[in-house]
Amino acid sequence: DTGVSQNPRHKITKRGQNVTFRCDPISEHNRLYWYRQTLGQGPEFLTYFQNEAQLEKSRLLSDRFSAERPKGSFSTLEIQRTEQGDSAMYLCASSLGGANGDEQFFGPGTRLTVL
Amino acid sequence: QKEVEQDPGPLSVPEGAIVSLNCTYSNSAFQYFMWYRQYSRKGPELLMYTYSSGNKEDGRFTAQVDKSSKYISLFIRDSQPSDSATYLCATEGANQGGKLIFGQGTELSVKP
Repeated sequence: DTGVSQNPRHKITKRGQNVTFRCDPISEHNRLYWYRQTLGQGPEFLTYFQNEAQLEKSRLLSDRFSAERPKGSFSTLEIQRTEQGDSAMYLCASSLGGANGDEQFFGPGTRLTVL
Repeated sequence: QKEVEQDPGPLSVPEGAIVSLNCTYSNSAFQYFMWYRQYSRKGPELLMYTYSSGNKEDGRFTAQVDKSSKYISLFIRDSQPSDSATYLCATEGANQGGKLIFGQGTELSVKP
């Protein structure tokens, strides 16, 4: 499968615990995006990388959230001290980058439930 | 006010009907407009992509953008039960790094 993959697909955790999600983009895609989607809403932008550089972070990304893309390939999104309000679908997308309007290909998402 | 507004539905139509889905947006700087389809518990997949104003047709799907009224539409002809999904409109401003701004999504159900 050459699409965007995300792991785990589901994560249930207790409030206060740390969680980490992984995204593997389509190979040779330079841009990688993280979005969050809550029930009944469209995805909301969190952050994006151009290769290994994190170029923009949304105000939604509090200090408890951190994202990395250490070698410009896969990316991780960590949430520290999870809160119930963090329960959502976390989506990763990738694109070739370098031009406006590049198509973003989305992964299946990681569904987080914070108890 | 949200930058992209979309009626969440749900919308239920009989098989074979013409479906019209609509969004409005607030920022005249937006230039790229997309429609994504999202099946339950899946990631969004790109259906249609339009730059600036105009129409674009792909099979049973037609996307329209009217920049003068900041209005974007998706029409589905001869709708099928397999079209049942949530449809998300999205836009990307120029030089915004590809960040997409999505509408709320409209849940569509096509009944056989």
